[in-house]
Amino acid sequence: QKEVEQNSGPLSVPEGAIASLNCTYSDRGSQSFFWYRQYSGKSPELIMFIYSNGDKEDGRFTAQLNKASQYVSLLIRDSQPSDSATYLCAVNKGAETSYDKVIFGPGTSLSVIP
Amino acid sequence: DGGITQSPKYLFRKEGQNVTLSCEQNLNHDAMYWYRQDPGQGLRLIYYSQIVNDFQKGDIAEGYSVSREKKESFPLTVTSAQKNPTAFYLCASSMVGRHEQFFGPGTRLTVL
Repeated sequence: QKEVEQNSGPLSVPEGAIASLNCTYSDRGSQSFFWYRQYSGKSPELIMFIYSNGDKEDGRFTAQLNKASQYVSLLIRDSQPSDSATYLCAVNKGAETSYDKVIFGPGTSLSVIP
Repeated sequence: DGGITQSPKYLFRKEGQNVTLSCEQNLNHDAMYWYRQDPGQGLRLIYYSQIVNDFQKGDIAEGYSVSREKKESFPLTVTSAQKNPTAFYLCASSMVGRHEQFFGPGTRLTVL
């Protein structure tokens, strides 16, 4: 089992719809969870982070965390064509060593259709 | 403006050559990282440094070397021992004790 898994997509949604991106992780000791947005040819940009079970909202973005199910998701409301990008899920590995590494998933490609 | 800069944006290397990628940050972050990204794959950690004059190997350090002589700078050398160096290289930084990493614009390396 990979440490952080995401559906590769592409996920296509019509403009104005809700886009739902999912991520599962394997390390039960993980405490920090991140969503990065990466436009084609560009570097990742941090858009959300969540540490506690439940929902965290920031504008059109909502991150949802369920540690019991080892599942984190990102909802994008009122999707816009400018949201078309690859979304990377990242999770800290857990404090097993002196360095608490962050593991990145392979990303989900999102396409918002006008 | 605070941020992370990488240079060059594009780099072409002949087989057998060593090349050095630059990464500079003015965010006053203690920790810096180098990742490699290949199409369809997640980011893979090459090296990281949590303090000046100290650095550790990541998951794919073979064929790469780094130095950390200044807090602001963390250059990466891709040596001729790296068998498949063509990739998108990303430098990141974070505050020690925090997991949020912030990325530079990246360097795209192509071996001719």
